[in-house]
Amino acid sequence: GAVVSQHPSWVICKSGTSVKIECRSLDFQATTMFWYRQFPKQSLMLMATSNEGSKATYEQGVEKDKFLINHASLTLSTLTVTSAHPEDSSFYICSASHGASGANVLTFGAGSRLTVL
Amino acid sequence: GQQVMQIPQYQHVQEGEDFTTYCNSSTTLSNIQWYKQRPGGHPVFLIQLVKSGEVKKQKRLTFQFGEAKKNSSLHITATQTTDVGTYFCAALFFNKFYFGSGTKLNVKP
Repeated sequence: GAVVSQHPSWVICKSGTSVKIECRSLDFQATTMFWYRQFPKQSLMLMATSNEGSKATYEQGVEKDKFLINHASLTLSTLTVTSAHPEDSSFYICSASHGASGANVLTFGAGSRLTVL
Repeated sequence: GQQVMQIPQYQHVQEGEDFTTYCNSSTTLSNIQWYKQRPGGHPVFLIQLVKSGEVKKQKRLTFQFGEAKKNSSLHITATQTTDVGTYFCAALFFNKFYFGSGTKLNVKP
């Protein structure tokens, strides 16, 4: 089945530094990937839609200069949290849509837990 | 963003009891999907419903799509401890997936 690999699974960084999270589709090509953010005991909030070869589409209220998304190939999307602050601490999950079995289904990466000190 | 409401937020049941979570949208949905997230894990796709009034079953899980395609439910019969987790519905709006708030299920043995 479709597999999405995401790393790092967890990262601790100092305030003011930048952190890059990678999301790879291992056995299928993903022209579109989605980045979600999940706070403890809350739902998944869509941050942005990553489109291969073009600019990402950000949801309302998400700062595109803070959360840089690059989708350079059909199997890789990256999310860079720039100048991270403690309020950016969260669980970030990427996902890719694929049409296996006829359904437009999301396959998620394992997530990246970011802690900003 | 688009909103998909889901209730209840939490449900604590005794093993063997049934469980139901409901998902509602103010707009007609083209389809609805259900995902399960185990504690500490990531969401895993369970099923997709497309047709009005559709009912699908997976062992003890029954999924239903409303006639108006604005609501959906997931029912688990005779819960087991392995059912523990958070269940999310997700709807596709303008080629993007938006998730309901989720229902966290706790099953006491």
